[in-house]
Amino acid sequence: EVQLVESGGGLVQPGGSLRLSCAASGFTFSSYWMHWVRQAPGKGLVWVSRINSDGSSTNYADSVKDRFTISRDNAKNTLYLQMNSLRAEDTAVYYCARAPLHSNGWYFDYWGQGTLVTVAS
Amino acid sequence: EIVLTQSPGTLSLSPGERATLSCRASQSVSSSYLAWYQQKPGQAPRLLIYGASSRATGIPDRFSGSGSGTDFTLTISRLEPEDFAVYYCQQYGSYLTFGGGTKVEIK
Repeated sequence: EVQLVESGGGLVQPGGSLRLSCAASGFTFSSYWMHWVRQAPGKGLVWVSRINSDGSSTNYADSVKDRFTISRDNAKNTLYLQMNSLRAEDTAVYYCARAPLHSNGWYFDYWGQGTLVTVAS
Repeated sequence: EIVLTQSPGTLSLSPGERATLSCRASQSVSSSYLAWYQQKPGQAPRLLIYGASSRATGIPDRFSGSGSGTDFTLTISRLEPEDFAVYYCQQYGSYLTFGGGTKVEIK
């Protein structure tokens, strides 16, 4: 069974940093592109970042570029999102999501349950 | 950036009725790279449809997707109690963007 379990969310002050993790199981993690998608309270879904299967290529939404860094450890089956210079508008539930094999890598067949990040003083 | 506009914002229907949800793109979505997701309160989204009309694994056949170019539709043929949720479309032909969602609520 495919499982994605996020952790690392919490309350952080504006300007602070946080590192999210997503532990994957039930599939060959190293074969799949992975993404982070966020959802502000009561709002819609917004794509944040994407990393290819071996970690050599990444993309970011303009709103997080130069502040967030996506990475992965295929030996540990874990996806990460390092978030720096956090702002109030980064407050959201952050989901990790898997892109299916044999696709163009930009939609999601499995999602984690999400971890809440709250940026407030 | 391709902007997706979903309508209506809220759809009030009774169990057993047919639901028709619309997703309109600001420019043509290449290769019909359009997906639909269902999200219930407090839960992660679930993939329903990809490639505009292909059902994801385990999705009941009462869910169907259609359309091409700039106009796409998700149809739920007969609403079951568990189908009342928010539905999002997403294009993945040019980077990716999500629509704002349609809430299907019990009338």
